Amino acid sequence: EVQLVESGGGMVRPGGSLRLSCAASGFTFSTYNMNWVRQAPGKGLEWVSHISDSSSTKYYTDSVKGRFTISRDNAKKSLYLQMNSLRGEDTALYYCAMKDCSSGRCYPTWGQGTLVTVSS
Amino acid sequence: EIVLTQSPGTLSLSPGERATLSCRASQSVGSNYLAWYQQKSGQAPRLLIHGASYRATGIPDRFSGSGSGTDFTLTISRLEPEDFAVYFCQQYGSSLWTFGQGTKVEI
Repeated sequence: EVQLVESGGGMVRPGGSLRLSCAASGFTFSTYNMNWVRQAPGKGLEWVSHISDSSSTKYYTDSVKGRFTISRDNAKKSLYLQMNSLRGEDTALYYCAMKDCSSGRCYPTWGQGTLVTVSS
Repeated sequence: EIVLTQSPGTLSLSPGERATLSCRASQSVGSNYLAWYQQKSGQAPRLLIHGASYRATGIPDRFSGSGSGTDFTLTISRLEPEDFAVYFCQQYGSSLWTFGQGTKVEI
């Protein structure tokens, strides 16, 4: 069974940094592209970043470009999101997510999320 | 980037009625990888439909998805009290996932 478990959230002051982690299990992590998605309180869902299986390709939503860095360690089956220069508008529940095609049909699979609060 | 536009913004219905929610994409969704989620206050999104028309595990058959290309629909055949919530669509056919802004189904 696919499992994605996020950690690393917390409260940080504006301008601060935080590193989120996502531990993956139940599938061959090194063969799947991975994503971060977030949801601010009372708001909709927003895709944040994508990394290909080999880390050769990385994409970011415009609002985090130059501040966030996505990375992965396939040996550790882990996904990361380094968040620098944090702003109030980055306050959100952050989810690790993937397109799971293991059953023959492809569907999004998410973790339970980790909360990031940016406040002075 | 594929922009998803959901309509209507709010749907006011009664239990037992049929709900029809629309999600329109600015360009064709690759492989019809279009998902629908239900979200209630304080809870994580719950996957209802994937691949435009496939119900996720454990989802009642009153929920159905249809459409292809740029136009997709979520239908709830007979609303139950627990179905009043916010519904989001998402495309996962490109590397840059995108989400609709949501439709609130209210009593």
